Amino acid sequence: NAGVTQTPKFQVLKTGQSMTLQCAQDMNHNSMYWYRQDPGMGLRLIYYSASEGTTDKGEVPNGYNVSRLNKREFSLRLESAAPSQTSVYFCAGGQVYAEAFFGQGTRLTVV
Amino acid sequence: GQQLNQSPQSMFIQEGEDVSMNCTSSSIFNTWLWYKQDPGEGPVLLIALYKAGELTSNGRLTAQFGITRKDSFLNISASIPSDVGIYFCAVRLTGKLIFGQGTTLQVKP
Repeated sequence: NAGVTQTPKFQVLKTGQSMTLQCAQDMNHNSMYWYRQDPGMGLRLIYYSASEGTTDKGEVPNGYNVSRLNKREFSLRLESAAPSQTSVYFCAGGQVYAEAFFGQGTRLTVV
Repeated sequence: GQQLNQSPQSMFIQEGEDVSMNCTSSSIFNTWLWYKQDPGEGPVLLIALYKAGELTSNGRLTAQFGITRKDSFLNISASIPSDVGIYFCAVRLTGKLIFGQGTTLQVKP
């Protein structure tokens, strides 16, 4: 039982490049989330999906898109990476009115 | 956007000391969660609180859901070096899970 798995764990991009961060959960949770973590800023919600087929913006959605491919998978796409998107990205899964469980994170650097 | 105010921002304590941190908001919430993040890892749930006034313990950790439903407290007793990390409070808001800015705890052996 892996819980929440994120790939890749590390990535370096050049400004303007695109990439997709992958997330999969094996806990049969309805809700999934993408957060970014920056020093002193806590965890800020980028997008979330309350259930399969739905996605909604969080606190900092600009520059990102998401896809809830099925109940297990929720991907985050950067269409044109910018240095301001250098961060640690966390995916999480959970039920709507309960706690969420996090993956190990993706450390992204945009140069 | 919704804001949780977590304090203190950081703490540097001696092993064996007790620790207290809190989280406040101007809004009412029905769920308060406390997470810990070890260096290089994702956050892990410590305690979940679902009822105003509730006091819940998990080993040396005790958390309380404020009676006004606008705040929560986390206490750690007899700290040890492995308590080092970032502690986050979090609340549920219409399907979203919103986090505070975190309290960074350092423990000196």
